[in-house]
Parts: sequence; structure tokens; C-alpha cells
Amino acid sequence: QQQVKQSPQSLIVQKGGISIINCAYENTAFDYFPWYQQFPGKGPALLIAIRPDVSEKKEGRFTISFNKSAKQFSLHIMDSQPGDSATYFCAASTNTGNQFYFGTGTSLTVIP
Amino acid sequence: GAGVSQTPSNKVTEKGKYVELRCDPISGHTALYWYRQSLGQGPEFLIYFQGTGAADDSGLPNDRFFAVRPEGSVSTLKIQRTERGDSAVYLCASSFLPGSGGEQYFGPGTRLTVT
Repeated sequence: QQQVKQSPQSLIVQKGGISIINCAYENTAFDYFPWYQQFPGKGPALLIAIRPDVSEKKEGRFTISFNKSAKQFSLHIMDSQPGDSATYFCAASTNTGNQFYFGTGTSLTVIP
Repeated sequence: GAGVSQTPSNKVTEKGKYVELRCDPISGHTALYWYRQSLGQGPEFLIYFQGTGAADDSGLPNDRFFAVRPEGSVSTLKIQRTERGDSAVYLCASSFLPGSGGEQYFGPGTRLTVT
């Protein structure tokens, strides 16, 4: 059973547009929600992360919105650039657990 | 500083053979994780080490898979009697603290192809 459900599977955005990727979870014990960016042939790299005590976190062009009651969180990429074209994974973990549970990934293509 | 390194970057082996995949974590990181990533999927947890001991091996798919970390640094994932279904990218990650306490830094992965 997929612990973290991610959508859409793929996304095409014009340069300068906003990219939005959504994730949902069921386990209320999750307390850490990172987003990873992965380029072909590379390992995932941490982009931004949030804990459930805040509803939003912004770092540069990247923003996480977190809705604890709905058990959903999303990644917003503002002013999307061709260099942002990559696969994005959401993940979740608990403070007593040892692993990250990853979503299935979103392939983002930013068209110049 | 150096990140997580993994060797080899690619490994092609025949069905039934034995393979070893190596991970060199970031210096000072006591937590080490192995994940498996199939095409078009997110990484799936295999095993977690805290120091030298396997603290959680619940993700290992069967007894053909085994991992060690004898000195608390380098780890080796061992797969016996490989099957075509084992073909995937095997990722290693390390962190200073386990679970949600620490950011996991991933290596580039080893792409294993079983023919």
C-alpha cells in the first residue's frame, strides 16, 4: 500500500509559469515532509522540507503548502525555468521511524 | 565536502549470479539507508543501519538480500542468486540523525541489470 500518494504523474509548464505537485498521506504519525528533486542518472536531492507545525514554507521559488486536517501537502514552483525540468518526489517520515516513504514521482517539463 | 558515493555506477550480471554493491556515506553520518528504485517509481526502503547494526531490515524483499556495515562507515549490499526482477537502481543515503530527525543525503545509485 502506497503510504504517500502523489499527483500528477507528469506535468508540462511554460517557462515563467507555476508548477504545482500534490501529495496526500494517511498516517497521522508522519511529522516530516521533504520534497526531493532528481535528475536523470543522479540520486534524489533535498529541495525543501516542512514539519506539520507550520502551514507554509518558502525557499526562493519553492513553496510547500501543508494542510494538516486534509493530510495533504503540495509543492509550488514559481517562475518555473527549463532547468527545473526533473522528477520530483514527495516523502514522509515519523520521528520514531527509520525510513522515508516516497511518492511515485512527478516528471516536470518546463518548456522554454 | 564529499557526498555519498556508490560503486559501481553500473553493474550488469547474469541471472543466478552474486553481486555486491558498495556505499560510502558522508563522514560522520551514523545512519545509513539502502533504497531500491524501479523505473518510474519512487525509492523503496530496504534496510537501515545505525552504526554497525542493522536497526531495521523490514524492507529487504527476501533472504537473497543482505547488507553489512562492519565498521560503521562503508556498507555493502549483497544479492545472491540474482533474478531479472532485481534489476533496478539501488540508492544509498546517509544522515546525521535517523528518521525525521535528519536530512537524508543520497548517492548517485548503482544501476543493476540482471540479464
